[in-house]
Amino acid sequence: EVHLLESGGGLVQPGGSLRLSCAASGFTFSSYAMSWVRQAPGKGLEWVSAISGTGDSTYYADSVKGRFTISRDNSKNTMYLQMKSLRAEDTAVYYCAKVSDGSNNASPDYWGQGTLVTVSS
Amino acid sequence: QPVLTQSSSASASLGSSVKFTCTLSSGHSSYIIAWHQQQPGKAPRYLMNLQHSGSYNKGSGVPDRFSGSSSGADRYLTISNLQSEDEADYYCETWDSKSRVFGGGTKLTVL
Repeated sequence: EVHLLESGGGLVQPGGSLRLSCAASGFTFSSYAMSWVRQAPGKGLEWVSAISGTGDSTYYADSVKGRFTISRDNSKNTMYLQMKSLRAEDTAVYYCAKVSDGSNNASPDYWGQGTLVTVSS
Repeated sequence: QPVLTQSSSASASLGSSVKFTCTLSSGHSSYIIAWHQQQPGKAPRYLMNLQHSGSYNKGSGVPDRFSGSSSGADRYLTISNLQSEDEADYYCETWDSKSRVFGGGTKLTVL
């Protein structure tokens, strides 16, 4: 059974940093691309970033480009999102999602439960 | 980059059917999309992916009451025999080699 578990969320001041993790199990992690999606309070889903199965290719939404870095450690079955220069508008629940192929150019098929990031002074 | 357009809300009675529309922007009518369900206070759940041809593949455990269809740039999600637990937000998503995008979501109220 596929399982995705996010962690690392919390309260951070504007301008601060935070690293999120997504621990995966139940599938061959290195064979699949992964993505981060966020949801601000009361709002819809917003794609944030994606990474190929090998980790060689990474992609970002314009809203986070230059501030967020996605990575993965296939030996630990874990994906990360390093977030810097955080702003109030980054406040959201952050979800990780599995893609059904090694590249980003494929359907998603599983979601994690999410971790809340609050950016506030 | 494609844009996905969804109606903001829909309502239907218990036991009836409802059909959601997700419209792809001009030049992107051949794109595959995915449908997701998000019940109140819960994480999203993947329902299915849906091709331009109307062919769809459902996720694990998705009931037979959920089906998909397509017409041109429109992608549809139909729920038959509505249950109270179907009251949720429904999002469509599409992607290309370098990005992913979501529609604004449709909130379903089951009367």
